[in-house]
Amino acid sequence: SQTIHQWPATLVQPVGSPLSLECTVEGTSNPNLYWYRQAAGRGLQLLFYSVGIGQISSEVPQNLSASRPQDRQFILSSKKLLLSDSGFYLCASTGGSGRSEAFFGQGTRLTVV
Amino acid sequence: QKEVEQNSGPLSVPEGAIASLNCTYSDRGSQSFFWYRQYSGKSPELIMSIYSNGDKEDGRFTAQLNKASQYVSLLIRDSQPSDSATYLCAVNMGQTGANNLFFGTGTRLTVIP
Repeated sequence: SQTIHQWPATLVQPVGSPLSLECTVEGTSNPNLYWYRQAAGRGLQLLFYSVGIGQISSEVPQNLSASRPQDRQFILSSKKLLLSDSGFYLCASTGGSGRSEAFFGQGTRLTVV
Repeated sequence: QKEVEQNSGPLSVPEGAIASLNCTYSDRGSQSFFWYRQYSGKSPELIMSIYSNGDKEDGRFTAQLNKASQYVSLLIRDSQPSDSATYLCAVNMGQTGANNLFFGTGTRLTVIP
């Protein structure tokens, strides 16, 4: 099965600082990759998804961006963080090798102060 | 618009009872259905997948799918306090080249000892 590596697990960043969260996938090829954000007690908000290298679709306009430089690498970035960017960020992978279920990374708890 | 809907709860059941979680979805052509369990502060973990109409049992968990009614449910028998979590329903709507995985907002389950 797939393994999703996501780091760091927790992050405290000042307002206005940059952000880079990285996600790598093992055990599959050509996956669809996703970045979600989850506010406390809330559902998953889809931020970005990618169906292939260099192909990024944005679901919600904001100051975040995503990139997929390699087939199994997905990066979430920001040039200047806002307080409202705080939340639990999850990377997920579907597809590849004929699998349709999603596997999640451990998540990153981001607190912008 | 593709949607997955769940009652947000909270759903409280006594220990040993059956917990019933429900989910409806909008795309009649959907083929893959999943239930995830998410403990507070953790990432979602896959507990059940179902692809055909009817019931699928795995230990204390039973997933039920009715494609004609666009309805999928999860039954947890002999509920335990360790089952207390948020349960997310997910539907893979199978679009190639686009986002194909849709999540409900989750149902929070509390099992009372």
